[in-house]
Amino acid sequence: AQSVSQHNHHVILSEAASLELGCNYSYGGTVNLFWYVQYPGQHLQLLLKYFSGDPLVKGIKGFEAEFIKSKFSFNLRKPSVQWSDTAEYFCAVTPYSSASKIIFGSGTRLSIRP
Amino acid sequence: DVKVTQSSRYLVKRTGEKVFLECVQDMDHENMFWYRQDPGLGLRLIYFSYDVKMKEKGDIPEGYSVSREKKERFSLILESASTNQTSMYLCASRERGTSNGELFFGEGSRLTVL
Repeated sequence: AQSVSQHNHHVILSEAASLELGCNYSYGGTVNLFWYVQYPGQHLQLLLKYFSGDPLVKGIKGFEAEFIKSKFSFNLRKPSVQWSDTAEYFCAVTPYSSASKIIFGSGTRLSIRP
Repeated sequence: DVKVTQSSRYLVKRTGEKVFLECVQDMDHENMFWYRQDPGLGLRLIYFSYDVKMKEKGDIPEGYSVSREKKERFSLILESASTNQTSMYLCASRERGTSNGELFFGEGSRLTVL
């Protein structure tokens, strides 16, 4: 079955630390990849996405993610986190051929100590 | 500013009651979704609609039904609420035929069934 794994359930960092959140998916075909973020009390919003081209994609607020096809991974990174990055982060995968099948990971809660 | 609006942010219902959750989007999107969000489980798709009066079951449709009489409105119905349906419900929309398109989410409806 298709699935998305986010192995880190809760990550706690201090401000200015570097961040990497893992995302692995299981699907044999071409995929589109997404990271969504949910700030406390707010709706989910798109952070960045990959669908073709350069496997290193940049998103809002200094986030980036790298698609490594051989590892079925799409890890999210930020070189220096801020307190305002406290949120829950969701990785999602859509098979290229499907507009409706969007598989979400279980989410990673990120807490930043000021 | 694009918007997905969910009618109720918080609801408390009793076991056996019928529950309606309404969602309206102003982006003229063909695709609309209902997800359930539970801690540690991420987002799970309940139902998807790709056009007026058209729907597809998602991963967890049992106990739920949907209605899409107008393009902008997608309703989730719990025919007889049960305590295991206590959860956060998220509505989302996306343009038709775009597997790489962004999902736009509402702020969620937190349902408690007593």
